[in-house]
Parts: sequence; structure tokens; C-alpha cells
Amino acid sequence: NAGVTQTPKFRVLKTGQSMTLLCAQDMNHEYMYWYRQDPGMGLRLIHYSVGEGTTAKGEVPDGYNVSRLKKQNFLLGLESAAPSQTSVYFCASTHDGKNIQYFGAGTRLSVL
Amino acid sequence: AQTVTQSQPEMSVQEAETVTLSCTYDTSENNYYLFWYKQPPSRQMILVIRQEAYKQQNATENRFSVNFQKAAKSFSLKISDSQLGDTAMYFCAFMKHVYSGGGADGLTFGKGTHLIIQP
Repeated sequence: NAGVTQTPKFRVLKTGQSMTLLCAQDMNHEYMYWYRQDPGMGLRLIHYSVGEGTTAKGEVPDGYNVSRLKKQNFLLGLESAAPSQTSVYFCASTHDGKNIQYFGAGTRLSVL
Repeated sequence: AQTVTQSQPEMSVQEAETVTLSCTYDTSENNYYLFWYKQPPSRQMILVIRQEAYKQQNATENRFSVNFQKAAKSFSLKISDSQLGDTAMYFCAFMKHVYSGGGADGLTFGKGTHLIIQP
């Protein structure tokens, strides 16, 4: 049972480039989340989804877009990457809004 | 909005000692959940313990226990018989209860405490 899988694990971008981070879960969870973690800080919520075809903004959504076309996948897009988006990105999923969130291993993104 | 404060950026104890990590939070919610997550150098976020606010009994998981004081909005983590493998960043997190059909809410994290277990 793989749980929550994030692709890629590392990426380096130049300012202005675009990319998509993929999160896949095999636990049939309804809820999925994207967080970012910056040095000296805890994780902050970017966007989340409560089910296939739905998305909503979190605490720090600017500069990011998301899509949930399939229940098991939650994509995070950066249309025009900026150095301020250098961070570690975590995806998480849970069965419903009350339960434990299970995290992926994270993606380290550097924007030069 | 909720806030979570961890006032100890770093702590260091000897192996086998007991250590307590502090966490306070601010919320106007009455129903919510509190968590402690461990993040070792591998970067993986690992759930240590979970507390439901409507339960007065403190949660325990083997060597890990919490002291949940709802009125004081305090949620400390006690690690007994500490082991070298406990060395990690520890994050306290808050999540409000979401009623059916009410959408969802993510976790609000503190800034973390770096715990070092010395041999």
C-alpha cells in the first residue's frame, strides 16, 4: 500500500517557468490538501479539495492553481514560477474532514 | 482564524530522560482536533498523537502522552524514556471540526520544536 505519493521529489526551475506537481493516493480518500513548508515555519495550506472536481483556496493560494479531475489525484500547478515559491511542498489526504491527514514525502522545489 | 504557538525553537535532552514540548493555540471554535506531528531528517511528516477537544481524557500512544488543557488552550507533548530515534522536528497542529456538508479545513501548524536526543 503506497499511501500518498508525490512526483517529483526534487525540481529546479528558472523564474518564469511552469510546472505541475502530482499527488496520488491509493486510500480512496475524499479530501486532499497541498501545503508548503518554508525554513523556520510550519506547513501552510495552499489549496484543498473535498472531492473529485472540487477545489478551494487555503491560506496562501496566490501563484498556484490546482485540479482534481480524478479522485485519486490532486495536481498543483505553478504557471510562472517565482523565487518566493522556493519551498518544500507536501500533499496530504484524509477520508473526511475530521480524520488524520496522511502526508506524502514532499517535493523540494528551487526557483532560481 | 486559528493560531498555534510553539515557544521552544530547540530542546536537547539525554537519552532515557523525559521531555515535554509545549504548544498553545488560539481559537474561537469549541469543537476541534489537536495533533503532534514528527518530522525527522527524512522530511516525512509522521503523526505522533491526536486529541479530540470534546474528550477530557488525555491521549496516550506508548511513550507519548499529552496534557490537554482546553480552558488554557494548551496542548503539551510528553515523551518518556526518550530514544535517539526521537530526534526530529515536532509540530503541533490544530484543525477545526467540520460538520457534514460544511466543506473542509486544513491543519494550522506551529513553527516547530527541534528536539535533539543526546546519547
